[in-house]
Amino acid sequence: AQKITQTQPGMFVQEKEAVTLDCTYDTSDQSYGLFWYKQPSSGEMIFLIYQGSYDEQNATEGRYSLNFQKARKSANLVISASQLGDSAMYFCAMREGYSSASKIIFGSGTRLSIRP
Amino acid sequence: ETGVTQTPRHLVMGMTNKKSLKCEQHLGHNAMYWYKQSAKKPLELMFVYNFKEQTENNSVPSRFSPECPNSSHLFLHLHTLQPEDSALYLCASSPGTQPATNEKLFFGSGTQLSVL
Repeated sequence: AQKITQTQPGMFVQEKEAVTLDCTYDTSDQSYGLFWYKQPSSGEMIFLIYQGSYDEQNATEGRYSLNFQKARKSANLVISASQLGDSAMYFCAMREGYSSASKIIFGSGTRLSIRP
Repeated sequence: ETGVTQTPRHLVMGMTNKKSLKCEQHLGHNAMYWYKQSAKKPLELMFVYNFKEQTENNSVPSRFSPECPNSSHLFLHLHTLQPEDSALYLCASSPGTQPATNEKLFFGSGTQLSVL
Protein backbone atom coordinates (compact mmCIF):
# COMPACT_ATOMS: atom_id res chain seq x y z
CA ALA A 1 0.00 0.00 0.00
CA GLN A 2 1.12 3.55 -0.63
CA LYS A 3 2.38 5.58 2.27
CA ILE A 4 3.86 9.04 2.71
CA THR A 5 5.84 10.00 5.82
CA GLN A 6 6.78 13.50 6.90
CA THR A 7 8.71 13.30 10.15
CA GLN A 8 8.98 17.03 10.92
CA PRO A 9 5.74 18.34 12.46
CA GLY A 10 7.18 21.84 12.71
CA MET A 11 10.26 23.81 11.73
CA PHE A 12 11.56 27.31 12.46
CA VAL A 13 13.96 28.92 10.00
CA GLN A 14 15.58 32.33 9.83
CA GLU A 15 14.57 34.48 6.88
CA LYS A 16 16.88 34.14 3.84
CA GLU A 17 18.18 30.75 4.96
CA ALA A 18 17.60 27.58 2.96
CA VAL A 19 15.36 24.90 4.42
CA THR A 20 14.83 21.22 3.64
CA LEU A 21 11.52 19.53 4.36
CA ASP A 22 11.72 15.75 4.55
CA CYS A 23 9.46 13.27 2.80
CA THR A 24 9.78 9.52 2.44
CA TYR A 25 7.37 7.30 0.58
CA ASP A 26 6.55 3.66 0.15
CA THR A 27 5.15 2.09 -2.97
CA SER A 28 5.43 -1.15 -4.89
CA ASP A 29 4.71 0.57 -8.21
CA GLN A 30 7.48 1.45 -10.64
CA SER A 31 5.50 4.35 -12.04
CA TYR A 32 4.48 7.10 -9.66
CA GLY A 33 4.51 10.85 -9.23
CA LEU A 34 5.52 12.92 -6.23
CA PHE A 35 4.11 16.34 -5.43
CA TRP A 36 4.59 19.10 -2.91
CA TYR A 37 1.80 21.45 -1.89
CA LYS A 38 1.78 24.55 0.29
CA GLN A 39 -1.19 25.43 2.49
CA PRO A 40 -1.17 28.96 3.95
CA SER A 41 -3.41 29.84 6.88
CA SER A 42 -6.15 30.82 4.43
CA GLY A 43 -6.62 27.13 3.65
CA GLU A 44 -6.12 26.78 -0.10
CA MET A 45 -3.68 24.13 -1.31
CA ILE A 46 -1.08 25.51 -3.70
CA PHE A 47 0.89 23.20 -5.99
CA LEU A 48 4.65 23.78 -5.80
CA ILE A 49 6.59 21.10 -7.64
CA TYR A 50 6.34 17.66 -9.25
CA GLN A 51 8.81 14.78 -9.71
CA GLY A 52 8.12 11.68 -11.81
CA SER A 53 9.57 8.34 -10.84
CA TYR A 54 11.38 8.03 -14.18
CA ASP A 55 12.74 11.57 -14.18
CA GLU A 56 16.51 11.49 -14.00
CA GLN A 57 16.92 15.14 -13.11
CA ASN A 58 15.72 16.67 -9.85
CA ALA A 59 12.78 18.98 -10.43
CA THR A 60 13.20 22.71 -9.87
CA GLU A 61 10.66 25.53 -9.86
CA GLY A 62 12.10 28.91 -8.96
CA ARG A 63 13.20 28.81 -5.31
CA TYR A 64 11.85 25.26 -4.93
CA SER A 65 13.79 22.14 -5.77
CA LEU A 66 13.09 18.51 -5.07
CA ASN A 67 15.92 16.31 -3.86
CA PHE A 68 14.81 12.97 -5.30
CA GLN A 69 16.66 9.88 -4.07
CA LYS A 70 14.83 6.96 -5.60
CA ALA A 71 16.78 4.17 -3.94
CA ARG A 72 16.07 5.70 -0.54
CA LYS A 73 12.50 6.50 -1.50
CA SER A 74 12.86 10.08 -0.41
CA ALA A 75 11.64 13.30 -2.04
CA ASN A 76 12.74 16.21 0.09
CA LEU A 77 11.67 19.75 -0.73
CA VAL A 78 14.38 22.40 -0.63
CA ILE A 79 13.39 26.05 -0.39
CA SER A 80 16.26 28.43 -1.04
CA ALA A 81 16.44 31.95 0.39
CA SER A 82 13.32 31.59 2.54
CA GLN A 83 10.87 34.48 2.79
CA LEU A 84 8.30 35.44 5.41
CA GLY A 85 5.57 34.44 2.98
CA ASP A 86 6.86 30.88 2.99
CA SER A 87 5.36 30.37 6.46
CA ALA A 88 2.69 27.70 5.89
CA MET A 89 1.94 24.00 6.07
CA TYR A 90 3.74 21.90 3.48
CA PHE A 91 2.44 18.55 2.28
CA CYS A 92 4.18 15.83 0.33
CA ALA A 93 1.92 13.68 -1.84
CA MET A 94 2.13 10.71 -4.19
CA ARG A 95 0.11 9.33 -7.06
CA GLU A 96 0.63 5.76 -8.28
CA GLY A 97 -0.02 4.17 -11.60
CA TYR A 98 -1.26 5.23 -14.99
CA SER A 99 -5.00 5.10 -14.56
CA SER A 100 -6.81 8.41 -14.67
CA ALA A 101 -8.24 9.68 -11.41
CA SER A 102 -5.94 7.37 -9.46
CA LYS A 103 -5.54 8.18 -5.80
CA ILE A 104 -3.25 10.89 -4.51
CA ILE A 105 -2.34 10.39 -0.88
CA PHE A 106 -0.81 13.00 1.39
CA GLY A 107 1.63 13.02 4.27
CA SER A 108 0.80 14.58 7.63
CA GLY A 109 2.53 17.83 6.74
CA THR A 110 5.24 20.09 8.14
CA ARG A 111 4.43 23.50 9.57
CA LEU A 112 7.19 25.89 8.48
CA SER A 113 7.63 29.17 10.31
CA ILE A 114 10.03 31.80 8.98
CA ARG A 115 11.57 34.15 11.55
CA PRO A 116 12.37 37.74 10.46
CA GLU B 1 -14.65 32.59 -12.78
CA THR B 2 -11.70 30.27 -13.11
CA GLY B 3 -10.36 27.41 -11.03
CA VAL B 4 -12.22 25.44 -8.40
CA THR B 5 -14.93 27.12 -6.36
CA GLN B 6 -16.42 25.72 -3.17
CA THR B 7 -19.51 26.94 -1.36
CA PRO B 8 -20.20 27.68 1.37
CA ARG B 9 -16.85 28.69 2.89
CA HIS B 10 -18.13 28.07 6.40
CA LEU B 11 -20.98 25.89 7.64
CA VAL B 12 -22.30 25.24 11.12
CA MET B 13 -24.87 22.48 11.48
CA GLY B 14 -26.56 20.43 14.14
CA MET B 15 -26.35 16.67 14.21
CA THR B 16 -29.90 16.31 12.90
CA ASN B 17 -29.54 18.75 9.99
CA LYS B 18 -29.16 17.95 6.32
CA LYS B 19 -26.86 20.17 4.30
CA SER B 20 -24.88 20.01 1.06
CA LEU B 21 -21.43 21.19 0.05
CA LYS B 22 -20.96 22.34 -3.52
CA CYS B 23 -17.89 22.30 -5.72
CA GLU B 24 -17.62 23.67 -9.24
CA GLN B 25 -14.61 23.64 -11.55
CA HIS B 26 -14.11 25.76 -14.66
CA LEU B 27 -10.96 24.02 -15.85
CA GLY B 28 -12.49 21.47 -18.21
CA HIS B 29 -11.28 18.61 -16.02
CA ASN B 30 -12.82 15.16 -15.94
CA ALA B 31 -11.83 13.99 -12.47
CA MET B 32 -13.07 15.43 -9.18
CA TYR B 33 -12.22 14.56 -5.58
CA TRP B 34 -13.39 15.14 -2.03
CA TYR B 35 -10.80 15.28 0.75
CA LYS B 36 -11.31 15.71 4.49
CA GLN B 37 -8.73 17.61 6.52
CA SER B 38 -9.08 17.27 10.27
CA ALA B 39 -7.00 19.24 12.74
CA LYS B 40 -4.84 16.33 13.79
CA LYS B 41 -4.84 14.05 10.76
CA PRO B 42 -3.40 14.09 7.24
CA LEU B 43 -5.67 14.86 4.33
CA GLU B 44 -7.97 11.89 3.88
CA LEU B 45 -9.25 11.01 0.44
CA MET B 46 -13.02 10.42 0.58
CA PHE B 47 -14.31 10.04 -2.97
CA VAL B 48 -13.06 10.18 -6.55
CA TYR B 49 -15.17 10.70 -9.64
CA ASN B 50 -13.93 10.29 -13.19
CA PHE B 51 -16.20 11.24 -16.09
CA LYS B 52 -19.08 11.40 -13.57
CA GLU B 53 -18.51 7.83 -12.40
CA GLN B 54 -17.41 7.14 -8.84
CA THR B 55 -14.05 5.33 -8.95
CA GLU B 56 -13.08 5.53 -5.29
CA ASN B 57 -14.95 5.38 -2.00
CA ASN B 58 -12.41 5.30 0.77
CA SER B 59 -14.62 3.54 3.34
CA VAL B 60 -16.55 6.72 4.02
CA PRO B 61 -19.59 6.47 6.37
CA SER B 62 -22.94 6.59 4.63
CA ARG B 63 -23.86 9.88 6.35
CA PHE B 64 -21.67 11.40 3.61
CA SER B 65 -23.27 11.03 0.19
CA PRO B 66 -21.50 12.34 -2.93
CA GLU B 67 -23.15 13.36 -6.17
CA CYS B 68 -21.52 14.21 -9.48
CA PRO B 69 -24.18 15.28 -12.00
CA ASN B 70 -21.59 16.34 -14.59
CA SER B 71 -17.82 16.73 -14.87
CA SER B 72 -17.96 20.32 -13.65
CA HIS B 73 -19.98 19.88 -10.47
CA LEU B 74 -19.52 17.81 -7.37
CA PHE B 75 -21.69 17.77 -4.26
CA LEU B 76 -21.29 16.27 -0.82
CA HIS B 77 -24.63 15.71 0.91
CA LEU B 78 -24.45 15.58 4.68
CA HIS B 79 -26.97 14.14 7.12
CA THR B 80 -26.93 13.13 10.80
CA LEU B 81 -23.29 14.07 11.17
CA GLN B 82 -21.25 13.67 14.34
CA PRO B 83 -19.09 16.29 16.08
CA GLU B 84 -15.98 14.38 14.97
CA ASP B 85 -16.97 15.13 11.36
CA SER B 86 -16.03 18.77 11.95
CA ALA B 87 -13.20 19.48 9.53
CA LEU B 88 -12.12 21.34 6.42
CA TYR B 89 -13.61 19.65 3.35
CA LEU B 90 -11.55 20.22 0.25
CA CYS B 91 -12.66 19.65 -3.32
CA ALA B 92 -10.12 19.13 -6.08
CA SER B 93 -10.05 18.39 -9.78
CA SER B 94 -7.55 17.02 -12.27
CA PRO B 95 -7.59 16.54 -16.05
CA GLY B 96 -8.39 12.82 -15.78
CA THR B 97 -6.22 11.75 -18.69
CA GLN B 98 -3.82 8.84 -19.07
CA PRO B 99 -1.07 8.37 -18.10
CA ALA B 100 -2.04 10.16 -14.93
CA THR B 101 1.00 9.93 -12.69
CA ASN B 102 1.95 13.55 -13.41
CA GLU B 103 -1.54 14.97 -12.97
CA LYS B 104 -1.60 17.47 -10.18
CA LEU B 105 -4.69 18.38 -8.21
CA PHE B 106 -6.27 21.80 -8.39
CA PHE B 107 -7.93 22.60 -5.08
CA GLY B 108 -10.76 24.81 -3.99
CA SER B 109 -10.49 26.92 -0.84
CA GLY B 110 -12.50 24.42 1.17
CA THR B 111 -15.59 24.44 3.37
CA GLN B 112 -14.92 24.68 7.10
CA LEU B 113 -17.61 22.53 8.68
CA SER B 114 -18.54 22.61 12.36
CA VAL B 115 -20.99 20.03 13.70
CA LEU B 116 -22.59 20.96 17.01
